[in-house]
Amino acid sequence: DGGITQSPKYLFRKEGQNVTLSCEQNLNHDAMYWYRQDPGQGLRLIYYSQIVNDFQKGDIAEGYSVSREKKESFPLTVTSAQKNPTAFYLCASSPWERGRETQYFGPGTRLLVL
Amino acid sequence: QQQVKQSPQSLIVQKGGISIINCAYENTAFDYFPWYQQFPGKGPALLIAIRPDVSEKKEGRFTISFNKSAKQFSLHIMDSQPGDSATYFCAASFGGGSEKLVFGKGTKLTVNP
Repeated sequence: DGGITQSPKYLFRKEGQNVTLSCEQNLNHDAMYWYRQDPGQGLRLIYYSQIVNDFQKGDIAEGYSVSREKKESFPLTVTSAQKNPTAFYLCASSPWERGRETQYFGPGTRLLVL
Repeated sequence: QQQVKQSPQSLIVQKGGISIINCAYENTAFDYFPWYQQFPGKGPALLIAIRPDVSEKKEGRFTISFNKSAKQFSLHIMDSQPGDSATYFCAASFGGGSEKLVFGKGTKLTVNP
């Protein structure tokens, strides 16, 4: 069964704590993305990666970090520097190829601050 | 320049009616325009997409109309059903890969039985 998995479904963060959100895909896609979704704000790009060991900042990268050590995995760390982390986080992947731009999304992780 | 403006923010339609959601963009370099459907608590899923070389694309009850000169595109849902109740996002991207996928702010559609 091909797709994108995100875990956990819900995550609670304490003040000053770093937390890591998992994203795994078995679609053999080169590109992976992290978005943040807030009510009424649409989806905003945090980071994206075209290939292993390379990634680029999106529009709202401050307070977040990523790694891309394997093609299948693109974890996102929400650091203590992110002062307003409560949001729905979505991971996506796509082929990195013109004509095949469709991004496929995972089920999301909802991050809440205690 | 990078924005995609979507309207209305919310829409209520009776079962069997037509739902129309509009988007406008400024950057003429955009060359791929997808629509995504999102149910509560789920990730968005691609519904239908269009490129600027065609003015209309239809898939089942869903149609995208594209007006290149006006820099506008819209989603029409014919014979709307309660199961269509979801949030719809338009988006746009350009240039070789989809890293520049820019989303509208979404339209919450409610189809009453």
